[in-house]
Amino acid sequence: RKEVEQDPGPFNVPEGATVAFNCTYSNSASQSFFWYRQDCRKEPKLLMSVYSSGNEDGRFTAQLNRASQYISLLIRDSKLSDSATYLCVVNTLTGGFKTIFGAGTRLFVKA
Amino acid sequence: DAGVIQSPRHEVTEMGQEVTLRCKPISGHDYLFWYRQTMMRGLELLIYFNNNVPIDDSGMPEDRFSAKMPNASFSTLKIQPSEPRDSAVYFCASTSRVPNEQFFGPGTRLTVL
Repeated sequence: RKEVEQDPGPFNVPEGATVAFNCTYSNSASQSFFWYRQDCRKEPKLLMSVYSSGNEDGRFTAQLNRASQYISLLIRDSKLSDSATYLCVVNTLTGGFKTIFGAGTRLFVKA
Repeated sequence: DAGVIQSPRHEVTEMGQEVTLRCKPISGHDYLFWYRQTMMRGLELLIYFNNNVPIDDSGMPEDRFSAKMPNASFSTLKIQPSEPRDSAVYFCASTSRVPNEQFFGPGTRLTVL
């Protein structure tokens, strides 16, 4: 089992749709979590941090469920410009710093 | 503010040649990371430095790969000799502290023929 696993893609959705991605992690000692967005042939860029209390930024909502060891990203009212690959990141400090990126989920938003 | 700077942006070389990739982290960031991204394996951490000292190089594929950070504003990743399977995009990232978010450079797209 991979340490960090993401929903397999691609997701093809129409404009205006709501789409959700999940990312599961195996190390219960993991401490910080992020969602990154990566456009084609570009570098990953931070989309948002993920907290146990949830984090909302406009149309984007990120959640952390420590009991079930997964994080989620919800995108409401999808725009064409949301088409990208979304990467989850799980960081652990216990026993030395470790950072693991998920394989990414591709999203295509169509008109 | 300048972000993470990488050079070259593209590199095409022949098998057996030495390749050197360069990175300048964001000023004030004490951590620097080197990643490799391929379609098959995704984004893999190769090595990271803290205050110019290599902390974890367990992701470095083999002895052909080496990385240095001679000062706080410069790091290199060297492949010698290069092989076609090294073809990938190599990213450098930095952060002020862990486990905070990392900031990525634009990457170097390496093609080994």
